Amino acid sequence: AQKITQTQPGMFVQEKEAVTLDCTYDTSDQSYGLFWYKQPSSGEMIFLIYQGSYDEQNATEGRYSLNFQKARKSANLVISASQLGDSAMYFCAMREGLITGGGNKLTFGTGTQLKVEL
Amino acid sequence: DAGVTQSPTHLIKTRGQHVTLRCSPISGHKSVSWYQQVLGQGPQFIFQYYEKEERGRGNFPDRFSARQFPNYSSELNVNALLLGDSALYLCASSLEAGGGNNSPLHFGNGTRLTVT
Repeated sequence: AQKITQTQPGMFVQEKEAVTLDCTYDTSDQSYGLFWYKQPSSGEMIFLIYQGSYDEQNATEGRYSLNFQKARKSANLVISASQLGDSAMYFCAMREGLITGGGNKLTFGTGTQLKVEL
Repeated sequence: DAGVTQSPTHLIKTRGQHVTLRCSPISGHKSVSWYQQVLGQGPQFIFQYYEKEERGRGNFPDRFSARQFPNYSSELNVNALLLGDSALYLCASSLEAGGGNNSPLHFGNGTRLTVT
């Protein structure tokens, strides 16, 4: 089974609108972390937001928020007030074994290509 | 402050050759990880090094090796290159060996390797 599933290969959103990028995950660990990264066409991976499995509140970072539903094993990224510069590939990733020492192994999904239009 | 720097940015090699990719972490970061990103896919974990010791290894053949130097920079070596090794190789650094929000991975721009 896929550990990280991103079911939207591509998404379109109009400038200034909000958009939700879906991510579901699969793990038997009790302690894990979920990340979202943005990858522009230049190739670098830009860290956006993090949610720990024991965090009770949804993470927020500026225009980014993470809609964490633990029982459903979903960690959707919400981008508010989309900008043209938000056009990029977005990856959801998971780090397992935070307590047992999972190290820096992140498991990534296949990504969602977001296109922001005027 | 400088981010994670990788060199070279692009590289073209022939099947069977050997390649060395280099990475300098963010100042103060002691952990370096390497990822391979094949076109159209998410990055795949190759190695993690922390304080010069290997802390994790992904499902890659022994042709892939890495090391970390006393200044925390790192090299990824790939021997006997195959066409399938063509990919973007990303280096990431973090303050600690692993954790949560306190130690997110910061990635470099990557080295794009083409094997012909």
